[in-house]
Amino acid sequence: NAGVTQTPKFRVLKTGQSMTLLCAQDMNHEYMYWYRQDPGMGLRLIHYSVGEGTTAKGEVPDGYNVSRLKKQNFLLGLESAAPSQTSVYFCASSYEGGLRTGELFFGEGSRLTVL
Amino acid sequence: AQSVTQLGSHVSVSEGALVLLRCNYSSSVPPYLFWYVQYPNQGLQLLLKYTSAATLVKGINGFEAEFKKSETSFHLTKPSAHMSDAAEYFCAVSEGGTASKLTFGTGTRLQVTL
Repeated sequence: NAGVTQTPKFRVLKTGQSMTLLCAQDMNHEYMYWYRQDPGMGLRLIHYSVGEGTTAKGEVPDGYNVSRLKKQNFLLGLESAAPSQTSVYFCASSYEGGLRTGELFFGEGSRLTVL
Repeated sequence: AQSVTQLGSHVSVSEGALVLLRCNYSSSVPPYLFWYVQYPNQGLQLLLKYTSAATLVKGINGFEAEFKKSETSFHLTKPSAHMSDAAEYFCAVSEGGTASKLTFGTGTRLQVTL
């Protein structure tokens, strides 16, 4: 049972380059999320999706785009990377409703460095 | 607006000693409260969750937390620390209960020494 899988796990970019992070979950969860984790700042929500074909902005959406074309996949794109986007990115999914409401399942993270 | 404050970015305890990680929250409605744990180079895992039922919540690995409305606190405790407890711990609050409304604290790194 894979759970939540993120690819790639590490990436180095130059300023201005673009890239896409892929998140896949096999738990049939409706909700998926992208967070960034920075030292001393905890986790901050970038974008999230409440179902296939839907996306919504989180706390820090600027500079990122997302797509949820299939229920199991949630893509995070950086169109023009900036050094401020150097971070560890986490994808998560959740089942909303009933006793499991609010419980997130996380991937192992993707460490991105922008030079 | 909801918020979470974790007092102490680093806590060090001896193996076998009591673990106490502090979390205070601010919420305009009855909150749902969570503790997550992050082991090195891994994603976060749910440790325990409060959803307005029992105020003392038991989680995995011997951890528990008590919801105290009068103190707006949700401190995490474990009677006896183990080396394997070394990790970063995050408190989170959700006013609506859903994960899309979660606000995380800045985390507390727990070090366990011999």
